[in-house]
Amino acid sequence: GAVVSQHPSRVICKSGTSVKIECRSLDFQATTMFWYRQFPKQSLMLMATSNEGSKATYEQGVEKDKFLINHASLTLSTLTVTSAHPEDSSFYICSARSTGNQPQHFGDGTRLSIL
Amino acid sequence: DQQVKQNSPSLSVQEGRISILNCDYTNSMFDYFLWYKKYPAEGPTFLISISSIKDKNEDGRFTVFLNKSAKHLSLHIVPSQPGDSAVYFCAASEVNRGSTLGRLYFGRGTQLTVWP
Repeated sequence: GAVVSQHPSRVICKSGTSVKIECRSLDFQATTMFWYRQFPKQSLMLMATSNEGSKATYEQGVEKDKFLINHASLTLSTLTVTSAHPEDSSFYICSARSTGNQPQHFGDGTRLSIL
Repeated sequence: DQQVKQNSPSLSVQEGRISILNCDYTNSMFDYFLWYKKYPAEGPTFLISISSIKDKNEDGRFTVFLNKSAKHLSLHIVPSQPGDSAVYFCAASEVNRGSTLGRLYFGRGTQLTVWP
């Protein structure tokens, strides 16, 4: 149980393109979803927390206009990297949890490469 | 500032022996700790957790020990198997009102290699 699906797994696109990443909880309803970014040999850094039906809460230093998060249903959250540039190239990973006292379950991540 | 630290980037253990992965934290407000395991090209998988009211939690071959006074926790895997070879992440969180976990703070991970 507790499967989280993330798509796409890999994106390569030109600078200036907007990229949408989907995160779905397949076998449970996720009241809260999280978006992380990981640089090589670094820990997972939380970007934002989203609760279904409400605006996402962004961590300090994360541009909310750059990284648009939508959590429209209890099983789907999306992260859109708008007008992506090479410095946005990174590994993005989502997680979801059903209730507040449950551990987060992670998707397989998306490798974003901006040329 | 890294609030959760895994000071060993790698660990190599022979099959059948014990693997001990260590984790230190600096924030005394953390009261819930988790270990995740990550294979290449996959997301982290939840392995085991421990609340600060306990000092040990065991699940099969995996045991997590917590030393609150030292702000240190460790994950023991015994006996180690080649399939345990993965990156192990330590994570910590506060527990908010209503037993809701706060945001997770992750260490940088330790690559465990179990050789036959």
